[in-house]
Amino acid sequence: SHELTQPPSVSVSPGQTARITCSGDALPNQYTSWYQQKPGQAPILIIYKDIERPSGIPERFSGSSSGTTVTLAVTGVQAEDEADYYCQAADSSGTFYVFGTGTKVTVL
Amino acid sequence: QVQLAESGGGVVQPGRSLRLSCTASGFSFSDYGMHWVRQAPGKGLEWVAIVAFDGINSEYSNTVKGRFTISRDNSKNTLYLQMNSLRAEDTAMYYCARLSGSQSFDYWGQGTLVIVSS
Repeated sequence: SHELTQPPSVSVSPGQTARITCSGDALPNQYTSWYQQKPGQAPILIIYKDIERPSGIPERFSGSSSGTTVTLAVTGVQAEDEADYYCQAADSSGTFYVFGTGTKVTVL
Repeated sequence: QVQLAESGGGVVQPGRSLRLSCTASGFSFSDYGMHWVRQAPGKGLEWVAIVAFDGINSEYSNTVKGRFTISRDNSKNTLYLQMNSLRAEDTAMYYCARLSGSQSFDYWGQGTLVIVSS
C-alpha cells in the first residue's frame, strides 16, 4: 500500500523557517499537495502540483520536490501558522489517494 | 463562491446504516469528481472514496470497500455516502471535497460528525 510519512511535530520560533518533509515511494510519479488544518476547522489546500500555490495563499508557503521526498517550507513563520499540515498524493496507478501522517507545527 | 455543505451525521448503533449528503453550490458540480475524506477524533485525515464527474466510476479505500457506496445526483448538485455495517472505528468527522485537475482536493465542506456507538 502507498504510505506517506511525515514527522509528527515541528517547532519553530516566529520569523524563522519551518520545513516539513513527506516521504513516499510513489512520490516521484505523482503530484503532491499540502493542506493546513487548524483546530475545529476543515483542511485548506495550500500547495498543489508539488510547488503551486492557490490564489489567496501567502507567498511564505512554498513546496519543493526531490526524488521520494517533498518538502513544505513556511518562511517567516507567524503565530497564525500554528496548525496541522498534511501532504497528499495519489498512488502510482493514480486511482487511490492517500494522506500523510500529519505534522503539528508549533510556533514557540 | 464554491460551497460544500455536508449533512446526515449523527449517532448510530454498530451494524446499522447511515447516509451522508453533500450539497454543492457556486460551481458546475457535474464537471468535477468528488471525494469523501474522514478524520477520527484526534487522528489524521483518511481518504474514503471518490466518484467521477458523471457518477459512473468510483473507488474506495480498503477499510470501507464493500460497506460504503459513494454516489451523486448531478441534477440536485448532491454527493452521497451510503454507509452500511457501521463499526466503532468508522466514528469520525466526514468531509466532502472537490477533486481538482491536479489530483488535489481544492475545496472542502465543514464536515458532518458520525458516531458509531451502542
